[in-house]
Amino acid sequence: DAGVIQSPRHEVTEMGQEVTLRCKPISGHDYLFWYRQTMMRGLELLIYFNNNVPIDDSGMPEDRFSAKMPNASFSTLKIQPSEPRDSAVYFCASTPGAYGIYNEQFFGPGTRLTVL
Amino acid sequence: GQQLNQSPQSMFIQEGEDVSMNCTSSSIFNTWLWYKQDPGEGPVLLIALYKAGELTSNGRLTAQFGITRKDSFLNISASIPSDVGIYFCAGQTGNNNDMRFGAGTRLTVKP
Repeated sequence: DAGVIQSPRHEVTEMGQEVTLRCKPISGHDYLFWYRQTMMRGLELLIYFNNNVPIDDSGMPEDRFSAKMPNASFSTLKIQPSEPRDSAVYFCASTPGAYGIYNEQFFGPGTRLTVL
Repeated sequence: GQQLNQSPQSMFIQEGEDVSMNCTSSSIFNTWLWYKQDPGEGPVLLIALYKAGELTSNGRLTAQFGITRKDSFLNISASIPSDVGIYFCAGQTGNNNDMRFGAGTRLTVKP
């Protein structure tokens, strides 16, 4: 298996633009997570899905952020409009969930977002 | 919300030395997890702990779930250069699957 796939790996955009980050989880994994990592705040869980359904989005910073999972093999995290403080590395992770939803969690390589 | 205090922030050690790092919290967690992150990559799960007092090993790594459920430590024995990276602890509550990460320990191993 190729592991969790994220695209793009790097994104540079200007303030006010819409940004869409993409994730393909490992096939057969029922849970998908979106995280954000910054120097100031470390790793933060934004939202997670179970069987394509959003379960907990309490970590989503504000209404500018939205996430969808239209099918078991694809998820997006969208920021509209983007702001410089959104600059961070965004990780997607997936897990089969059979032994607790965080066990056997596999992270993607991340998308480094820079908002100018 | 629950905050995790991870220490030390960084460590510079000689190859072959043992390493110890820990995480503490003012709140109780049901699960403790330890991850390693290499530059430009996502975190990789090293050890997961599910019961208070549990001691688990993974090769040269050993981690324990504190009896009070408010702390955990990770030990690395006989460090090697490839142990370099950032190590994160994470704690999870059971009720709402809320998860918090520590700020990380940056480990440097000198050959």
